Formats: sequence, structure tokens, C-alpha cells
Amino acid sequence: AQKITQTQPGMFVQEKEAVTLDCTYDTSDQSYGLFWYKQPSSGEMIFLIYQGSYDEQNATEGRYSLNFQKARKSANLVISASQLGDSAMYFCAMREASSGYSTLTFGKGTMLLVSP
Amino acid sequence: EPEVTQTPSHQVTQMGQEVILRCVPISNHLYFYWYRQILGQKVEFLVSFYNNEISEKSEIFDDQFSVERPDGSNFTLKIRSTKLEDSAMYFCASSISPPGLAKNIQYFGAGTRLSVL
Repeated sequence: AQKITQTQPGMFVQEKEAVTLDCTYDTSDQSYGLFWYKQPSSGEMIFLIYQGSYDEQNATEGRYSLNFQKARKSANLVISASQLGDSAMYFCAMREASSGYSTLTFGKGTMLLVSP
Repeated sequence: EPEVTQTPSHQVTQMGQEVILRCVPISNHLYFYWYRQILGQKVEFLVSFYNNEISEKSEIFDDQFSVERPDGSNFTLKIRSTKLEDSAMYFCASSISPPGLAKNIQYFGAGTRLSVL
């Protein structure tokens, strides 16, 4: 089974609108961390937001928030007020206690295009 | 803002040649990682490194690969006798906190695109 599933290969959104990028995960660990990274066309991987499995509140970082539904094993990224510069590939990733935390396991990514 | 720096940005090599990919992690970080991303595929973990030792490695990281921290700033990935299937983007990452903490944030460089001909 896939550890991280991102079902949307591509998403389109208009500038200033909100968009949700889906991520579901599979783990039997109780302790794990969930991450979102942004990869613009220049190629670098930019850390956006983190959610711990024991965190009771949904994580927020500026315009980014994580809709964490533990029972459903989903960790969707919400980008509010989209900007043209948000156009990029977005990766959901997980680190599990059983892997010793060294390994980030990534999903296949979602390409987001923001139009004017 | 501190960042992870990788050189070169693009490396072209002939099959069978050795390549060294270089990384300068963020200066106060102690934990280092290499990942690769074959075109169109997921980012995959290769190896983690701390205190001049490999901490963990994946199945991909076989005897063809080695890592080294030759001085206080550089962290290198060496690929001996490159194969066509080694063509990929290679990312270096570093973190300040140990991998044992779930909120260990790994900061990535811009990657080196390796093309094996």
C-alpha cells in the first residue's frame, strides 16, 4: 500500500481564491509527523507546514493551514487567498516512529496552477 | 535566510564514470540527508548522516553510493560507475534537530540534476 497518496495530479485555482490539496496517509504508528513541501519550477523543495500526530490543533503557517483528520488519516493542505507565486508542485510527506524518523516518505505530488 | 546549497546544478556524465555531488548544509545543522527524484516519480530517501556516520540508508543506497563530510562545511554524495538509471534530481537536506524528534524539519537544497549518457 502507498504510504502517502495524493490523488490530484493537477489543480487549478484563480488568484485570491482558496484551494485544498488532498493527502491521505497509511501508517500503523501512533507517533508520526506530516509535512508539506512546495517545489517551484526552479526545483528547490521548500518546507511549508508540519503537523504532529499528537497535535490537537490544526497547524497554520500564514496562508497555509493543514486540515488534519486523524481518524480518516488525511492531512489536506489549505492555501487561502492564492497568489500567482503559489503555482508549483506540492508534496505531502510523512515520517514515522518505526522508520527512526530519518526517512521522509513523499507522495507523488500535486501540480497547482494559479491563474490571474 | 540560511539555505542548503548544492553544486553543480546540472551534471552530465558518461555511463561508468564516477560523480561527486556537493552540498553545503545550513551552518548550524548537524544532520544531513540525500534524496533523489527520478523524473516523474516520487522523491525517495537515500541516506541520513550524523557525526561522520551513516545513520540510516534505504535499499537504493547500495555499494555504488557513498557519503562523506570531508571538511566542516561540505557534505558529498559519490556515485561510482554511474548507470543510466542513476539519472535523477538529487536533493541534499539538513536539519538542526535529530531525526528522533517527529518535528525534525529537513531543509532542502535546490538539487543537482544528474544526467547519465
